[in-house]
Amino acid sequence: NAGVTQTPKFRILKIGQSMTLQCAQDMNHNYMYWYRQDPGMGLKLIYYSVGAGITDKGEVPNGYNVSRSTTEDFPLRLELAAPSQTSVYFCASRWEDDSPLHFGNGTRLTVT
Amino acid sequence: QKEVEQNSGPLSVPEGAIASLNCTYSDRGSQSFFWYRQYSGKSPELIMSIYSNGDKEDGRFTAQLNKASQYVSLLIRDSQPSDSATYLCAGGFTGRRALTFGSGTRLQVQP
Repeated sequence: NAGVTQTPKFRILKIGQSMTLQCAQDMNHNYMYWYRQDPGMGLKLIYYSVGAGITDKGEVPNGYNVSRSTTEDFPLRLELAAPSQTSVYFCASRWEDDSPLHFGNGTRLTVT
Repeated sequence: QKEVEQNSGPLSVPEGAIASLNCTYSDRGSQSFFWYRQYSGKSPELIMSIYSNGDKEDGRFTAQLNKASQYVSLLIRDSQPSDSATYLCAGGFTGRRALTFGSGTRLQVQP
C-alpha cells in the first residue's frame, strides 16, 4: 500500500497565483484532513472530510477550498496565494473517530 | 486554555536515560490518545495509541493515560540520539471528527 500520497513535494508560487495540492489515499479511509505547519509551530487544521461529498472547515480555512468527490482523493485549492500561506501542508486520513491518523509526506509551499 | 497542552521543551536527556513526555487536556469527553514523532522536515509518524486508563507498552515506549487527572504521558526507555525529535500528543474527543493536537515537545538525547 502506498498510504497517503501528496503531490507536489515542493512548489514556489508568486503572489496571486493559484494551485491545487493533491492528496490521495489507498486505505479506503472515510476521514481525510488537511493541516498546515509553519516553521517551529504545531499543526493547524484547514479542512476535513468525513466522506465523499462532505467537507467541513477547520480552524484556518480562509484562502483555501476543498472538494471530496471520491473516497480516495481530497485536493486542496489555494486561490490568490499570499505570503502568509507559505507553509508545509500535510494531508492525513483515518478510518473512523477512534482511529489514528496516517500522514502523507507533505508539500512545502513558498509564496513570494 | 489550549485543549491539549504540552511543554514545548526542549527536553534534554542523556543517552540511555528515560525520557518522560507529558500532555494534559481539558475535555473530559476523551475517547482516544495518540503519540506521534516528527523529525525535522518530515511528517508525523504514529508511535502509540492508547484508549483506556493505565499503561500500554510497545518496545522501549510506554504510554500512560489517566482520564481522572486528564493527562497522558509517553516514556521512552534507553533513549537514543535517534529519538531526538518533536513529539506530538493528540486527543480524540466525543463529538469531534478531527484530532486535537498539542504543539509538541522537542526532545534532545545527548550522546
